[in-house]
Amino acid sequence: AQSVSQHNHHVILSEAASLELGCNYSYGGTVNLFWYVQYPGQHLQLLLKYFSGDPLVKGIKGFEAEFIKSKFSFNLRKPSVQWSDTAEYFCATYGGSQGNLIFGKGTKLSVKP
Amino acid sequence: EPEVTQTPSHQVTQMGQEVILRCVPISNHLYFYWYRQILGQKVEFLVSFYNNEISEKSEIFDDQFSVERPDGSNFTLKIRSTKLEDSAMYFCASSGETGSNEQFFGPGTRLTVL
Repeated sequence: AQSVSQHNHHVILSEAASLELGCNYSYGGTVNLFWYVQYPGQHLQLLLKYFSGDPLVKGIKGFEAEFIKSKFSFNLRKPSVQWSDTAEYFCATYGGSQGNLIFGKGTKLSVKP
Repeated sequence: EPEVTQTPSHQVTQMGQEVILRCVPISNHLYFYWYRQILGQKVEFLVSFYNNEISEKSEIFDDQFSVERPDGSNFTLKIRSTKLEDSAMYFCASSGETGSNEQFFGPGTRLTVL
């Protein structure tokens, strides 16, 4: 079955630092990968997704992710974080034929002003 | 911008009681989902619903759970006899179609079972 794993539980950065959050996926045929963000007190929002094509995917709010097939990775990056990026970030993939999502454990990002 | 809404935002119940969590998906969406997140754990898929029937469910979704779309707008999750371990955040989501379409999530209902 498809699955994703996130190894960073909590990342603390200062503003303007660069961000990279790790996500590894298990191979299960077709690759569909997502990054979701959950700001404090808010619902899950889609940052970006990868299904095929250009392995460098650009999302909202200046985030991007790179699909590296040889490393089974789909890491999320942002060159310069802001205090408003403080949130929990979830990597996800499809778990079945009906589009249900399988999430990683999430990485909590705290950005110090 | 259309959004998924959920009520109540917080529900407290006694063990053994029945609860119904309500969701109003985005109006033209066709696929509906329930997920839950136990405190400190990952978001877990419970069930998907399409064309007025369950299309897929996880091992968590046992006989004490049921879903319904009683009218054209609401999508409900019923837990028949709540247990302490049902305490979690429950998220509803909807999408226009599977495949490349994005799932839009509601704000969640925090269920506390005492």
